[in-house]
Amino acid sequence: QLQLQEAGPGLVKPSQTLSLTCSVSGGSISSENYYWSWIRQSPERGLEWIAYIYNTGATYYNPSLKSRVVMSVDTSKEEFSLKLSSVTAADTALYYCARVRMAYYYVDIWGRGTTVTVS
Amino acid sequence: QFVLAQPPSVSGAPGQRVTISCTGSTSNIGGGYDVHWYQQLPGMAPKLLIYETKFRPSGVPDRFSGSKSGTLASLAITGLQAQDEAIYYCQSYDSSLKVVFGTGTKVTVL
Repeated sequence: QLQLQEAGPGLVKPSQTLSLTCSVSGGSISSENYYWSWIRQSPERGLEWIAYIYNTGATYYNPSLKSRVVMSVDTSKEEFSLKLSSVTAADTALYYCARVRMAYYYVDIWGRGTTVTVS
Repeated sequence: QFVLAQPPSVSGAPGQRVTISCTGSTSNIGGGYDVHWYQQLPGMAPKLLIYETKFRPSGVPDRFSGSKSGTLASLAITGLQAQDEAIYYCQSYDSSLKVVFGTGTKVTVL
């Protein structure tokens, strides 16, 4: 069974860059038909999609975050990453990495999530 | 911004049927895009409950069902059980905003 695990600092200072990595195990990040995604959750914003990437490196960003987000994928390491720049307290959230079914856009596998606090 | 509107809460007695609505627009649900539903138990990541509007992943009881009409999607839970207490989210694709989630509905079993 494919599993996802987020990793990264739990505390980031305002104006700095938030960096997270998601490791894929029990399956291949090069699988066809799936995107790899970051989604965050906070009491204020609920569940918010951030971005997704295909194994070729093609990326799709939430328009509201596009100017601050960069996603990348490393197929040799079976991992993908998120960088969110110029963070503020509003970026404090639980960040999930996830697998998204291409064409239908549903998340069939979620990571356990990692809390990031901007302070 | 929240593109898909859900009622904040619904409740029912054990064994009853409850429905959760998810109201979108012509740029998402009404535009022909599928709706998906997730169940989030306390302290856990969301779990896929219904995909492509009406299909259940393996292991999801048939007490859960989904439907869609126009810009409105619904999740029905029949034979409500204590373990169904959770927050339920709808999700779709929006032609301008990409992936969008609902506001979430807390289900309480009385």
